[in-house]
Amino acid sequence: AQKITQTQPGMFVQEKEAVTLDCTYDTSDPSYGLFWYKQPSSGEMIFLIYQGSYDQQNATEGRYSLNFQKARKSANLVISASQLGDSAMYFCAMREGRQVDTGNQFYFGTGTSLTVIP
Amino acid sequence: DTAVSQTPKYLVTQMGNDKSIKCEQNLGHDTMYWYKQDSKKFLKIMFSYNNKELIINETVPNRFSPKSPDKAHLNLHINSLELGDSAVYFCASRPGTRLLGTEAFFGQGTRLTVV
Repeated sequence: AQKITQTQPGMFVQEKEAVTLDCTYDTSDPSYGLFWYKQPSSGEMIFLIYQGSYDQQNATEGRYSLNFQKARKSANLVISASQLGDSAMYFCAMREGRQVDTGNQFYFGTGTSLTVIP
Repeated sequence: DTAVSQTPKYLVTQMGNDKSIKCEQNLGHDTMYWYKQDSKKFLKIMFSYNNKELIINETVPNRFSPKSPDKAHLNLHINSLELGDSAVYFCASRPGTRLLGTEAFFGQGTRLTVV
């Protein structure tokens, strides 16, 4: 089974509007961390935001916020006031707590390509 | 200033050749990774090292051999390159802490093209 599922291969949003990028995850570990990365066309991977499984509040970082619904196992990224520079691939990733001693790998989703329209 | 640096950024080579990609991090991190990003942009773990010790070796052909001479370096050597090896290879690192909230820092990637 896929650990991370991103069902939107591509999304379009008007400049200055908000957009939600979906991410669902699968784990039986009660302790885990969820991450979002941005990959612009230049190719680098840029960390955006983190949410821990025990965090009571949704994470926010500037225009990025994470809509964390634990019961639904979803961790959607919300970008407010979209800018042209937000056009990029966005990846959701997870690291499980039980992996602490066995590798600490990040599981990535297939990504969502976001295009911001002027 | 660069936190995780990979060389080269681009690599074009013929089938059957042997090539290496170097990775260095100056963050003092204990854990380093190699990820492969295929043409569909999917990122898959290849190897994970913790304090120079191999922790994860996913189902990767034996032609791929990682080497960690010290904690700050994790190089990837590929023998007998095949067309299917064409991809972007990312090196990444993170602190070797139990805290879940530490993100991975990625290098800029190496685009390998096998012709």
